[in-house]
Amino acid sequence: NSKVIQTPRYLVKGQGQKAKMRCIPEKGHPVVFWYQQNKNNEFKFLINFQNQEVLQQIDMTEKRFSAECPSNSPCSLEIQSSEAGDSALYLCASSLSRHYEQYFGPGTRLTVL
Amino acid sequence: GDSVTQTEGQVALSEEDFLTIHCNYSASGYPTLFWYVQYPGEGPQLLFRASRDKEKGSSRGFEATYDKGTTSFHLRKASVQESDSAVYYCALRITGNTGKLIFGLGTTLQVQP
Repeated sequence: NSKVIQTPRYLVKGQGQKAKMRCIPEKGHPVVFWYQQNKNNEFKFLINFQNQEVLQQIDMTEKRFSAECPSNSPCSLEIQSSEAGDSALYLCASSLSRHYEQYFGPGTRLTVL
Repeated sequence: GDSVTQTEGQVALSEEDFLTIHCNYSASGYPTLFWYVQYPGEGPQLLFRASRDKEKGSSRGFEATYDKGTTSFHLRKASVQESDSAVYYCALRITGNTGKLIFGLGTTLQVQP
């Protein structure tokens, strides 16, 4: 069973509000991924890190989304100004390396009213 | 672009039936292929992976064989149980990239007792 911890499990925000979610990767996993899973079960890769460095991020992430994985602190994903279309399950996964299996947390379900 | 197609959106079976979920992929490079399973309220769990042509992955009675010729990785199980009810995702990762997974849209399996 995965030991990736995500908090909070549920998050409700109004449009224009900030939304922040956190992820603690499995111990010893330096690579962290964020994905968005919408209500149609479509997965969208957002960003990934190796230690504190960004490996890859998509355009959406570069604008309203920000993410970081500081040393000795949980990783975080923040939406600066939430929109209705951001309502989704945000999944964090960790891995020993970008070439190894990814293990997912339970996700943070964001609802933007 | 790289993509994964799962033919069946929903599959309804009875216990002890044979299961096949079809997965075809399109990839610019040489992908590693995965099957994940997601239960309600949880993140995806890795079932197994295969990295090269003709390699068979298997776990918990499920199996799939990497077929480069037909670009397929079909999931099969000889005898399903009610506890197998879940959403199954086929995914790929391109060798040499930053590690992001590309998922299919998932297949919801409902097994009746």
